[in-house]
Amino acid sequence: EAGVVQSPRYKIIEKKQPVAFWCNPISGHNTLYWYLQNLGQGPELLIRYENEEAVDDSQLPKDRFSAERLKGVDSTLKIQPAELGDSAVYLCASSSDGAGTDTQYFGPGTRLTVL
Amino acid sequence: SQQGEEDPQALSIQEGENATMNCSYKTSINNLQWYRQNSGRGLVHLILIRSNEREKHSGRLRVTLDTSKKSSSLLITASRAADTASYFCATVLSGNTPLVFGKGTRLSVIA
Repeated sequence: EAGVVQSPRYKIIEKKQPVAFWCNPISGHNTLYWYLQNLGQGPELLIRYENEEAVDDSQLPKDRFSAERLKGVDSTLKIQPAELGDSAVYLCASSSDGAGTDTQYFGPGTRLTVL
Repeated sequence: SQQGEEDPQALSIQEGENATMNCSYKTSINNLQWYRQNSGRGLVHLILIRSNEREKHSGRLRVTLDTSKKSSSLLITASRAADTASYFCATVLSGNTPLVFGKGTRLSVIA
């Protein structure tokens, strides 16, 4: 079974530029998560989708961040414009449902460097 | 915000020794989960322990939960070089709330 796929794995951009990350969850997983992980820290949830509906986006900085999950399968996370403080690893995860007891499967992440 | 806090922040042991990592949290939980993250890779779920459970085993892993002290421990027995990774505890406050991760313990197992 293929795992969660993310691309690109690495991205280097200059500040004020836009950037987008793509995630393809495990087939059949209805719930998709985007996390941000700063160096030396644990992941922090940005947004959670149940199918195509964003059910928890309270931690998403909506002035510059946006996400979509068209057709309830793969998802895109965008930052526009990027700031120096956005340098981090962006992780995508999926689970079969959104219950707190459900195992989440994580992708390898996209490491973003903003210069 | 991070609810769980792992201790120690870093741990270095010899291959074959046991490794113990602790996690403390602040509020009542539904369950607590442990994840491993190897350098440059995503997180892998290791084990989940529910609030009404006290101990769980999975292979060389043993997890305990003490809800009165709001703490959990992860024991890795007979460690191997491949166990070198960061280990995170994550808590779930209620049935449908998201995982809240701690800052992690960096474990180095020296061959």
